[in-house]
Amino acid sequence: QVQLVQSGAEVKKPGSSVKVSCKASGGTFSSYAISWVRQAPGQGLEWMGGIIPIFGTANYAQKFQGRVTITADESTSTAYMELSSLRSEDTAVYYCARAPRVGAATLRYFDYWGQGTLVTVSS
Amino acid sequence: QSVLTQPPSVSGAPGQRVTISCTGSSSNIGAGYDVHWYQQLPGTAPKLLIYGNSNRPSGVPDRFSGSKSGTSASLAITGLQAEDEADYYCQSYDSSLTSYVFGTGTKVTVL
Repeated sequence: QVQLVQSGAEVKKPGSSVKVSCKASGGTFSSYAISWVRQAPGQGLEWMGGIIPIFGTANYAQKFQGRVTITADESTSTAYMELSSLRSEDTAVYYCARAPRVGAATLRYFDYWGQGTLVTVSS
Repeated sequence: QSVLTQPPSVSGAPGQRVTISCTGSSSNIGAGYDVHWYQQLPGTAPKLLIYGNSNRPSGVPDRFSGSKSGTSASLAITGLQAEDEADYYCQSYDSSLTSYVFGTGTKVTVL
C-alpha cells in the first residue's frame, strides 16, 4: 500500500522559511518522481516543482524559481520542499504527489498524494 | 492563474449525467499532452480519477469517463450519486511554461 505521509502544520512569520517533508512507503522510491502542489484557501491547485530522487535534480515552476528548493533523501525515502521569503499569500495547504515512471520517462500525472500540510504565514 | 479553464460549477439530480469541460491551448492540450482528472472531496487531498485522457485507475467506477479533442477535454459522470459531490480538476503539461498545469476547478453539486 503506497503512502505519502507529510509533516505537520506550521505557523511562520513573514520573511521566514518553511520546510515540509514527505515520507514515502509501500513502493520503490527510485521508480517515481515527487512533485509539490499547493492550494491556497478556497483556491485551486498549483504545481510548484518536482524531483526525480534517483537523479536528485529538481525543476521548478517559473513562479517559484529562486524561492523554493526541493530535495530528496533516498536513504529515508523522504522528499522535502523548502519555501523561503514567506509572505501572507503563501498561506496554503502543501501537498506532495507521486508521478509514476516507466523506464526513463516520467508519466505526467499524480497517482498518490500526501495528506497535505497547512502552512500559515502570519505576523 | 490557471492556463486550463473549467466551468466554476455544474449540477445535476441523482442519476443524471453531467459533463465538465477543460479548455487549454496549443502549448498544452493542443500540443498533444495528455489530460488527467482529479476528484477532491471536501477537506481531503485530490484523488486521481482519470489518467491519459480516458483511463480509469483501479477502483474508480466506470460512471466516470474522460475524452479529449483538439485543445479541450471533458469529464463525464453518469448516474450521478450524492457521493460525487466534490471539486474536480483537470491537469496537463504546458511546453511553453515547462510546467504541469491544473484547471481552474469545477464544483459538482448533486441536487
